[in-house]
Amino acid sequence: ETGVTQTPRHLVMGMTNKKSLKCEQHLGHNAMYWYKQSAKKPLELMFVYNFKEQTENNSVPSRFSPECPNSSHLFLHLHTLQPEDSALYLCASSQDLRPLNEKLFFGSGTQLSVL
Amino acid sequence: DAKTTQPNSMESNEEEPVHLPCNHSTISGTDYIHWYRQLPSQGPEYVIHGLTSNVNNRMASLAIAEDRKSSTLILHRATLRDAAVYYCILRFYGGSQGNLIFGKGTKLSVKP
Repeated sequence: ETGVTQTPRHLVMGMTNKKSLKCEQHLGHNAMYWYKQSAKKPLELMFVYNFKEQTENNSVPSRFSPECPNSSHLFLHLHTLQPEDSALYLCASSQDLRPLNEKLFFGSGTQLSVL
Repeated sequence: DAKTTQPNSMESNEEEPVHLPCNHSTISGTDYIHWYRQLPSQGPEYVIHGLTSNVNNRMASLAIAEDRKSSTLILHRATLRDAAVYYCILRFYGGSQGNLIFGKGTKLSVKP
């Protein structure tokens, strides 16, 4: 148990659906991250939030929309996805963005399948 | 962030030490060396990190070459639970963004 909880664990959606992924951390951290892990590819950083403010958007298509209402919760809203968006979506948190504090704690991920 | 090079895969026997190498010839003086591992069906897990000196913790040891162009993660006694993909990552110290960039890593297999 890492202290970072992601729901749902598995999600199947059609290309016209709208769904949301949820991440919650119980570690008192201030930075939260979304990563994407496609089959046989390295993890790709998508978004970074620090103290609820987005500090990084790694050229992610607009069909992915993050939301960070407070330092403990992070959402990824999905709409009109493509089959190539099928992947494991991982949430992580760290104390903040200072490198000495940037020990990341990951959730177990949401396995997303887009049909 | 500078790039790292790791072998695609390695094998080890249970209860023997494992040395996982990482080359980072373009490392800058302010890059930290981080190691994470990812067990099957789980998110990555922090293992260890360091800057110049060798580091030890309850999970592993990190040996950093004197010129810092390479490092080695040492698991002192491999267990079956250590079978995972191990990632060596460089992180620029002076930055303020959370761009920890993962490569392909080394897939470690542990034989009983």
